[in-house]
Amino acid sequence: DAGVTQSPTHLIKTRGQQVTLRCSPKSGHDTVSWYQQALGQGPQFIFQYYEEEERQRGNFPDRFSGHQFPNYSSELNVNALLLGDSALYLCASSLLTGTGGLSTDTQYFGPGTRLTVL
Amino acid sequence: AQTVTQSQPEMSVQEAETVTLSCTYDTSESDYYLFWYKQPPSRQMILVIRQEAYKQQNATENRFSVNFQKAAKSFSLKISDSQLGDAAMYFCAYPPPGTYKYIFGTGTRLKVLA
Repeated sequence: DAGVTQSPTHLIKTRGQQVTLRCSPKSGHDTVSWYQQALGQGPQFIFQYYEEEERQRGNFPDRFSGHQFPNYSSELNVNALLLGDSALYLCASSLLTGTGGLSTDTQYFGPGTRLTVL
Repeated sequence: AQTVTQSQPEMSVQEAETVTLSCTYDTSESDYYLFWYKQPPSRQMILVIRQEAYKQQNATENRFSVNFQKAAKSFSLKISDSQLGDAAMYFCAYPPPGTYKYIFGTGTRLKVLA
């Protein structure tokens, strides 16, 4: 059973450039979330995609955008890169489940993409 | 504001001993989930354990168990019989009901001493 995969593993860009990160969800999952993890910090939620639409967004500027494809894989795009965008970008996939009216999606994470902006 | 606090930046434990990692959170909800994740140097965030707030029984997964104190909004992770492979960053996470995001704490680095 394949887990969440991400590509590339590492990426080096310069300020002002654009980058695309890719994620394939765990088999059977239909939802993809993206997180940014700065060095020494916990992950911060960027957005979540479900049914090819952005379902919820965190406090990130419009330079961060995404896409979900019919096969549930996803891309994260970051435009006009800043030095502060250097971080580990984590993708998580999930399948919404409900228990007694309370639903949750247990999120399973990929290995991440380390982005360095010079 | 919904927050997750891990007050121990770093902890050490001797191999085969027991260690407890602390997590507190702030919420006004009555039913919710809580999670512990482990992030080894390989960077992949691995699910350790999940707790449902409406369940009185503390969750257990092999050597990992939680001490969930709902009134105190405390969610501690106990690791028994610590192994060298347990060395990692441990993150507590809370997904606010009605949202799809996880709120993570700042993490606790666990060192296991041989």
